[in-house]
Amino acid sequence: DTGVSQDPRHKITKRGQNVTFRCDPISEHNRLYWYRQTLGQGPEFLTYFQNEAQLEKSRLLSDRFSAERPKGSFSTLEIQRTEQGDSAMYLCASSHRGPQPQHFGDGTRLSIL
Amino acid sequence: DQQVKQNSPSLSVQEGRISILNCDYTNSMFDYFLWYKKYPAEGPTFLISISSIKDKNEDGRFTVFLNKSAKHLSLHIVPSQPGDSAVYFCAASGDNFNKFYFGSGTKLNVKP
Repeated sequence: DTGVSQDPRHKITKRGQNVTFRCDPISEHNRLYWYRQTLGQGPEFLTYFQNEAQLEKSRLLSDRFSAERPKGSFSTLEIQRTEQGDSAMYLCASSHRGPQPQHFGDGTRLSIL
Repeated sequence: DQQVKQNSPSLSVQEGRISILNCDYTNSMFDYFLWYKKYPAEGPTFLISISSIKDKNEDGRFTVFLNKSAKHLSLHIVPSQPGDSAVYFCAASGDNFNKFYFGSGTKLNVKP
C-alpha cells in the first residue's frame, strides 16, 4: 500500500493555459474522487469514478474541466483556458467499494499568474 | 449549498484534557459520516467513521457520536496530545458513496 500519489505537487501557469494533473490511486481501489480545496474551506467535490466510469460530476465542474480514468487505474484532471479562480489545491482520493473511508493524496497546488 | 457545517473555526485545549469538535448537517439522507485530520502541506488523513445505524463509534482516544434527530455529530479526543494539533474536517455521504460533502474545518491547538 504505497498510498495515493499526485503529480505534480505544485503547478504555476499563466492565465489561459491548459494544465493536466495526474492521480495514481491505491492499487485495487475501484473508487476515485477529485476535490478542490481553497484557503479556509474544506475539500469540495468535483467528480467520482467507479473503475473507468465517471458516475458523478459536480455542477462546479465547468466545460473547461475534464477528467478521465482510462482502464480504471490512474486518473487525469485537465483544466483548459485557466482562470484566476482556478487557483486552489486539487486533491485526489481513492477507496474500496462500499462504506470505506477515502485515502487522500497530498494534492496538486495550482497557482495562476 | 453547504450541507455540512463546522461552526467553530478554531479550538484551543490543554494537553491531557478532552477536545470536542462539532459538526452539523442538513441532509437527512446522509448515511455515512467521517472525520479527517489534516496537517499543512499534506492531504487529509482518515480518523474515524460512523454509519447512520449507530450512535457511537470508538477507536482508541477518538470517539465519534451521531445524533440523527439533531443532525449533529461530534468528535471527542481524550486525552488530547500536542500531536493532535491539526485541522479537523467532518464529511458525509449518502448510501451510494458517490459524493462526499465536507465541512470547512476546525483548527485544533493542543497546548503543552
